[in-house]
Amino acid sequence: KAGVTQTPRYLIKTRGQQVTLSCSPISGHRSVSWYQQTPGQGLQFLFEYFSETQRNKGNFPGRFSGRQFSNSRSEMNVSTLELGDSALYLCASHRLSNQETQYFGPGTRLLVL
Amino acid sequence: GENVEQHPSTLSVQEGDSAVIKCTYSDSASNYFPWYKQELGKGPQLIIDIRSNVGEKKDQRIAVTLNKTAKHFSLHITETQPEDSAVYFCAAGGKSSGDKLTFGTGTRLAVRP
Repeated sequence: KAGVTQTPRYLIKTRGQQVTLSCSPISGHRSVSWYQQTPGQGLQFLFEYFSETQRNKGNFPGRFSGRQFSNSRSEMNVSTLELGDSALYLCASHRLSNQETQYFGPGTRLLVL
Repeated sequence: GENVEQHPSTLSVQEGDSAVIKCTYSDSASNYFPWYKQELGKGPQLIIDIRSNVGEKKDQRIAVTLNKTAKHFSLHITETQPEDSAVYFCAAGGKSSGDKLTFGTGTRLAVRP
């Protein structure tokens, strides 16, 4: 069974630009969660999508948004990038509930200059 | 919301020795406590989890204990090996937080050969 895939793996942007990251969950998984990982803050929950609907949301500004498609693939978008948005963005998929095993992808490393 | 504290932030042990990582949580309604291992350049991977109706769970060299009264849980790794070197994260979640997971800040474990 193929794992969670994230594209692109690395990205360099400048302040003020926007970025879209993509996540393909494990086949059969309907739920996708996104996390931001930084050395200072650790793993911070961004949002979770289930069956194309946002089910949970973390404490991030509105510049961070996401969506999920009918095939469970998910995208997250960050608009008006700031230097502090530089981080590893991780996607995790699970079958139904957050209380099941979450399978993480390798992440997309975003550098904002 | 839930708050998870994890200690120590770094841990160095001799190969063959045991390693213990401790976490405390704030929301008494949390009932799911997974532990993740993250190796360099990879996403976190679940190594063991425990639910609030169980006090201890073991899987080969890895064990987790949960004390709901004190709101803390611990990861125990026995007979450590160099390949155990990684960053370990604890997390807590439950219905009161919408099932989303709150992660600790991580413990960097180094096993000296």
